[in-house]
Amino acid sequence: GNSVTQMEGPVTLSEEAFLTINCTYTATGYPSLFWYVQYPGEGLQLLLKATKADDKGSNKGFEATYRKETTSFHLEKGSVQVSDSAVYFCALTRKSGATNKLIFGTGTLLAVQP
Amino acid sequence: DTEVTQTPKHLVMGMTNKKSLKCEQHMGHRAMYWYKQKAKKPPELMFVYSYEKLSINESVPSRFSPECPNSSLLNLHLHALQPEDSALYLCASSQETGTQPQHFGDGTRLSIL
Repeated sequence: GNSVTQMEGPVTLSEEAFLTINCTYTATGYPSLFWYVQYPGEGLQLLLKATKADDKGSNKGFEATYRKETTSFHLEKGSVQVSDSAVYFCALTRKSGATNKLIFGTGTLLAVQP
Repeated sequence: DTEVTQTPKHLVMGMTNKKSLKCEQHMGHRAMYWYKQKAKKPPELMFVYSYEKLSINESVPSRFSPECPNSSLLNLHLHALQPEDSALYLCASSQETGTQPQHFGDGTRLSIL
């Protein structure tokens, strides 16, 4: 079946450090891939997406590249800020019959210290 | 600011109460979703509506009853809930039920006494 595996958290970094959160997936065919972010007390926000192999999604300094050969979609940011502290979810969606489903990873808590 | 609005933000209810959660979107999306999220876990899909018709029910107990009165509104009616139903309930919408991204509201935090 389809699944998403994320690195275990929490990830604790100092401000301006480089961030990588690993995400790998298992799916048949060509899923669309997403990163969502959840700030404390809020819902999920779409951070970035990629719909086909070698696509690079980017937003707010975050990037992730759809790598079909390694079935990965790792999230990176060159210089994190305290305001980036949140839970990050990697997800894929594929059409199943007439409906899509979002399949989430377990989430990775990022804590950025000043 | 989120484009999916959920009310109320917080709800405390007893196990014998009846209450409703509401969700509204004005993005012209034709698919709407209910999720349940427990602390430190990813959201779990409960229901999917496509063009105002229920298309997925993920074996949710009948004490949760969804309703889609029109393409912009989604309700979740609650009755005789159990303490384990305490969670964050998230609504989402997408253009259609394809592979387009889903847009989430900020959720209703529900506590069952």
